[in-house]
Amino acid sequence: LAKTTQPISMDSYEGQEVNITCSHNNIATNDYITWYQQFPSQGPRFIIQGYKTKVTNEVASLFIPAVRKSSTLSLPRVSLSDTAVYYCLVGKLIFGQGTELSVKP
Amino acid sequence: SQTIHQWPATLVQPVGSPLSLECTVEGTSNPNLYWYRQAAGRGLQLLFYSVGIGQISSEVPQNLSASRPQDRQFILSSKKLLLSDSGFYLCAWSVKTGQEFSNQPQHFGDGTRLSIL
Repeated sequence: LAKTTQPISMDSYEGQEVNITCSHNNIATNDYITWYQQFPSQGPRFIIQGYKTKVTNEVASLFIPAVRKSSTLSLPRVSLSDTAVYYCLVGKLIFGQGTELSVKP
Repeated sequence: SQTIHQWPATLVQPVGSPLSLECTVEGTSNPNLYWYRQAAGRGLQLLFYSVGIGQISSEVPQNLSASRPQDRQFILSSKKLLLSDSGFYLCAWSVKTGQEFSNQPQHFGDGTRLSIL
């Protein structure tokens, strides 16, 4: 069962790039890495998913090194509305505590 | 487009009362369905998942049960609520493919805030 470890919280300022790293040392061969965003009193929202190397969409980028024991979610030029909790999931549907990102003006 | 509906949005129930939370999905067929609970402190706990009508898998033994009477309907129930059942309950769906379902992105509803008095 792949367990993930993320920082509990991070602070940033508007316009900065934010990188959130997730450790998953026990990732299985067929596991994908998925990131979600959650605002207070709402359900999590899918952001991005990848298996290896780099994946980019209109919202974020996901960097996965070849050994796949960690991954990094990159949010370019964050705004106040990016203040939320970000979860990294690997394989089995276990959400950890997530990373609470606070973006300040 | 696909949508997921949960109701009610908030619910206050006394200890020992029954519970029924409903979740429906529109715009897709034969989805995988999930119930999660989120207590204060953020982590989501998977309670039940279903890969088809009448097929329910329980992840954590507890005071709750789930049923899937129709393809796109998922119900969370309890006969007698406990104080510890308080929390934020979330329903989600994902596309069913031939791959391991846990790799499929999930789409969540807006949740039900349940308070037990």
